[in-house]
Amino acid sequence: AQTVTQSQPEMSVQEAETVTLSCTYDTSESDYYLFWYKQPPSRQMILVIRQEAYKQQNATENRFSVNFQKAAKSFSLKISDSQLGDAAMYFCAYRRASGNTPLVFGKGTRLSVIA
Amino acid sequence: DVKVTQSSRYLVKRTGEKVFLECVQDMDHENMFWYRQDPGLGLRLIYFSYDVKMKEKGDIPEGYSVSREKKERFSLILESASTNQTSMYLCASSLIGGPQETQYFGPGTRLLVL
Repeated sequence: AQTVTQSQPEMSVQEAETVTLSCTYDTSESDYYLFWYKQPPSRQMILVIRQEAYKQQNATENRFSVNFQKAAKSFSLKISDSQLGDAAMYFCAYRRASGNTPLVFGKGTRLSVIA
Repeated sequence: DVKVTQSSRYLVKRTGEKVFLECVQDMDHENMFWYRQDPGLGLRLIYFSYDVKMKEKGDIPEGYSVSREKKERFSLILESASTNQTSMYLCASSLIGGPQETQYFGPGTRLLVL
């Protein structure tokens, strides 16, 4: 079974600084998708960024980028120029490309942003 | 924009009560999901459905059932609520064959069972 591990339950970052959240996963599949979701306090979970495993280029979305290391099965999220609104729970998730299967989530990392 | 709504943001029920949590999506998505979110445990899948009247068990289906009579609506049922079902419940939907089949989430229902 696939598993997703987020080894940092909590992290903090100074406003305007850069922070990296770690995620590793275990799978025997060669084609799959990876996601980072953000859940602000008392607000809806939203997609931050996604990556297709067959693409070597790392995905970027404005201040958010990933470091996808397929051989190491690592998928970290980098947040540049951190803002107060980035404070949230961040969940890493995996989904294999074949078949209609649900996402597998990590346990989450709570990010605090210090003004 | 995809909209996923859940019938209640907060709910307080008594042990033994039958509880219905409803989820509606407005984007004609085939897939719908129910998750439970607990501190330190992340999101755990209870059930999902890929079509009307179809359902699949997730990781923690015990004590729960689901109903999907219409494509846009997916209900989670706690037949006899217990205190260990106090939790945040999240509904999600996705389009089969959509962009990596991204899931879209509702705002969540925080259930307290006394």
